[in-house]
Amino acid sequence: DQQVKQNSPSLSVQEGRISILNCDYTNSMFDYFLWYKKYPAEGPTFLISISSIKDKNEDGRFTVFLNKSAKHLSLHIVPSQPGDSAVYFCAASEYSGAGSYQLTFGKGTKLSVIP
Amino acid sequence: NAGVMQNPRHLVRRRGQEARLRCSPVKGHSHVYWYRQLPEEGLKFMVYLQKENIIDESGMPKERFSAEFPKEGPSILRIQQVVRGDSAAYFCASSHRGQANTGELFFGEGSRLTVL
Repeated sequence: DQQVKQNSPSLSVQEGRISILNCDYTNSMFDYFLWYKKYPAEGPTFLISISSIKDKNEDGRFTVFLNKSAKHLSLHIVPSQPGDSAVYFCAASEYSGAGSYQLTFGKGTKLSVIP
Repeated sequence: NAGVMQNPRHLVRRRGQEARLRCSPVKGHSHVYWYRQLPEEGLKFMVYLQKENIIDESGMPKERFSAEFPKEGPSILRIQQVVRGDSAAYFCASSHRGQANTGELFFGEGSRLTVL
């Protein structure tokens, strides 16, 4: 049962345009949402996060939007740059009840920014 | 490089052998997490350790898998009697404090296990 879903395996965008990556979740107990970026043969790196009590968080070219009623979040990258080409993972945090918060990841969306 | 260091980067084992994956966290970090990524899947939580303690192993398979984070030295993820289904990328992550709900972790580059 996938609690965090990224339904688009890939996305291609022209350089300079907006990239929008989407993520849906089913677990109402998630209290924090994060986006990680991953280049081939590297580990994921943290990009941006949002608390479940917020609906928007912005950091430079990156903005995350959260719609709790729809259980949906999205990552906007404006303007997109070729260096943004990577796999983007949506993740959600939940207290495990066993002493820690656990991250649940989606399967990722591969973004290709075309020069 | 003061980041999370994992080794080996690639490991090939035959069925029935043992695999040992090592992780040195970011200097000063005392909290270590192991995640597994199966092909075409997202990362899945396995275990959370502090120095000499397993805090949460709810994501670990009940058999053949174990993890430790000794007082000295790296964290070790050990897989005994490997099977083909263990083939995956194993990522280690660390944090300075216990992971609050913000979830920001520093990941290593991963160890890719292939079981023949």
